[in-house]
Amino acid sequence: AQTVTQSQPEMSVQEAETVTLSCTYDTSENNYYLFWYKQPPSRQMILVIRQEAYKQQNATENRFSVNFQKAAKSFSLKISDSQLGDTAMYFCAFMKLYGNKLVFGAGTILRVKS
Amino acid sequence: GAGVSQSPSNKVTEKGKDVELRCDPISGHTALYWYRQSLGQGLEFLIYFQGNSAPDKSGLPSDRFSAERTGGSVSTLTIQRTQQEDSAVYLCASSASGRVSYEQYFGPGTRLTVT
Repeated sequence: AQTVTQSQPEMSVQEAETVTLSCTYDTSENNYYLFWYKQPPSRQMILVIRQEAYKQQNATENRFSVNFQKAAKSFSLKISDSQLGDTAMYFCAFMKLYGNKLVFGAGTILRVKS
Repeated sequence: GAGVSQSPSNKVTEKGKDVELRCDPISGHTALYWYRQSLGQGLEFLIYFQGNSAPDKSGLPSDRFSAERTGGSVSTLTIQRTQQEDSAVYLCASSASGRVSYEQYFGPGTRLTVT
């Protein structure tokens, strides 16, 4: 079975600064996908970024980038130039290559302060 | 276009009652998922529908939980004889295909409170 661990229950960052959220996972699979989802107070889960395990290059989406370390089974999210609208719960998630369900970590609450 | 919608937004029910939660996926999406988000268990998978295939029910926590998807579109999650531990936010998601490369789009969820 796969497990996803987010060791930071809460984080805070000043507006315009950079913050990194940590995620580690455990799997015996070689091919899989990793995701970061954002859940604002509205409860709507929004996909932030996705990484295919077979790709060595780290995924980036505008201000969001990941540091994917396959051997270490680590998948951290870096948010640059933090904005007040980034305040939300962030979930790291795993899916097997031919799987049909996301396995989520416990989440990290991120607060961006003005 | 319209996203995934869920109803009701909030539901308060008495212990022992049955409840039905509804999910309207994005039009044309063949895959539909139910997840449960609770304080104690985090976010957990419940059930997955893909086209006309038999659903993957491996995440349903007990036989009090069931789900159906009619006409390949709307889905209803039913909880019978609700218990206090069923209190949670129930999230529905859909995707264009069951393949992992297709993004799952989530609805706003139904918050269920069992008193």
